Amino acid sequence: AQSVSQHNHHVILSEAASLELGCNYSYGGTVNLFWYVQYPGQHLQLLLKYFSGDPLVKGIKGFEAEFIKSKFSFNLRKPSVQWSDTAEYFCAVIHYSGGYQKVTFGTGTKLQVIP
Amino acid sequence: DGGITQSPKYLFRKEGQNVTLSCEQNLNHDAMYWYRQDPGQGLRLIYYSQIVNDFQKGDIAEGYSVSREKKESFPLTVTSAQKNPTAFYLCASGLSPPGELFFGEGSRLTVL
Repeated sequence: AQSVSQHNHHVILSEAASLELGCNYSYGGTVNLFWYVQYPGQHLQLLLKYFSGDPLVKGIKGFEAEFIKSKFSFNLRKPSVQWSDTAEYFCAVIHYSGGYQKVTFGTGTKLQVIP
Repeated sequence: DGGITQSPKYLFRKEGQNVTLSCEQNLNHDAMYWYRQDPGQGLRLIYYSQIVNDFQKGDIAEGYSVSREKKESFPLTVTSAQKNPTAFYLCASGLSPPGELFFGEGSRLTVL
C-alpha cells in the first residue's frame, strides 16, 4: 500500500547532539512535503515545507530538510538539538488520489532531548 | 481571532450511541480534513473535503460520516458501527489546492 514511513519511532538524544529523522513516501507523481511538530499539550504546527525549487528547505527553530526525489525521502535535520525540541514530529505528504489531493501523515517520531 | 474550533474537547459516550464532533473554521479555507490520532499510529485520515457539498473517504472511513453544507463547517459523526471509537480526533483546514494545514485543538472521545 502507498504510504508515508517514519522508521524512527522514538529517539533519545543529549542536548547539542545532531538530529536526523527519516521520512520516506511511496507516491509517484507530484508531491508536496511537510514536517509538523507537536509539542506536549499543544497543536500540531508546521516546521517546514517543500513544494518545488531548492530541495534543501529551511524551517523554523533551526530545522532543515532535504528532498531527494530518487530516494522518495524528505529527512528532517538539526545540527544541535535543545531540550525544548522534545516533541513528536510528523512527516506529511500531499499527493493526488482519484483527482483529489490527499494529505497523508507518517506515524510520527517522538524525540526526547536529555539536558 | 482566525482559527479552527473543535467541540467538545472531551466527550464520553456509551456503546451503541452515535456522537457528532463539531469543527468550525473562519480562515476562509476551502479544504477541511478529519484525522484520528492514536499512540504509535500517527494521524490517520478519516474524511476530507475540498469544496462545499463534496467530500471523500480517507483511509479509515468505516463507521464515520461527515457533511459539508457550509464552507466553515465540517462535522464528523462517529457511529455505533465504528468498532474502536475511543481516540483523539483532529480537524484541520487548508487552502485548495492544499498547502499548510491548520489544526484545531482536538476532541477526545471515550466510549464507556
